[in-house]
Amino acid sequence: DAKTTQPPSMDCAEGRAANLPCNHSTISGNEYVYWYRQIHSQGPQYIIHGLKNNETNEMASLIITEDRKSSTLILPHATLRDTAVYYCIVRVGRNRDDKIIFGKGTRLHILP
Amino acid sequence: GAVVSQHPSRVICKSGTSVKIECRSLDFQATTMFWYRQFPKQSLMLMATSNEGSKATYEQGVEKDKFLINHASLTLSTLTVTSAHPEDSSFYICSAARGTGANVLTFGAGSRLTVL
Repeated sequence: DAKTTQPPSMDCAEGRAANLPCNHSTISGNEYVYWYRQIHSQGPQYIIHGLKNNETNEMASLIITEDRKSSTLILPHATLRDTAVYYCIVRVGRNRDDKIIFGKGTRLHILP
Repeated sequence: GAVVSQHPSRVICKSGTSVKIECRSLDFQATTMFWYRQFPKQSLMLMATSNEGSKATYEQGVEKDKFLINHASLTLSTLTVTSAHPEDSSFYICSAARGTGANVLTFGAGSRLTVL
């Protein structure tokens, strides 16, 4: 079973920041938080991951609470192309055979 | 970046026939690959973990004789849906870890199977 809880859907206006929350209250000390997204009829796309510290890359920022029980993915300037299902996943990730179990994700609608 | 290629992207077959889907890591070696299945409006469901040179590990409820997995090289894993039936129609997706840092998984574009 997935170890994360996400809202089923969210709307965000184009050009605004999209903030997607994720609850992972049972996360273990050696588990990373990963975010992927899936645009319709495509394979999931990696966005970002983190362990304890906040992370930022060219796609997004990841804010992890100090107790690591929740996190927020931030898309700073959402565009219509960001419409997708976003998955928050916790995984050890130390070994290549550490599998990913997907939850239901958040369906993000970017509104023009 | 790491690239995982799947082929074919779409396949239509008649009921009772077998279909093979290939998953290739193009610029890295993948000792482990994962196969997922996704039905419309649902999330990805892990089917099995494919290990190079050994038998695949199947998730509970997935028939290993129905979904044959072969991982004969470090860059290729195949999924064969045997004696396909309409209920096997689905979106099949593979993934592999490049093995750097936190072992980020890269996913293929998926293969849509339609069984008539």
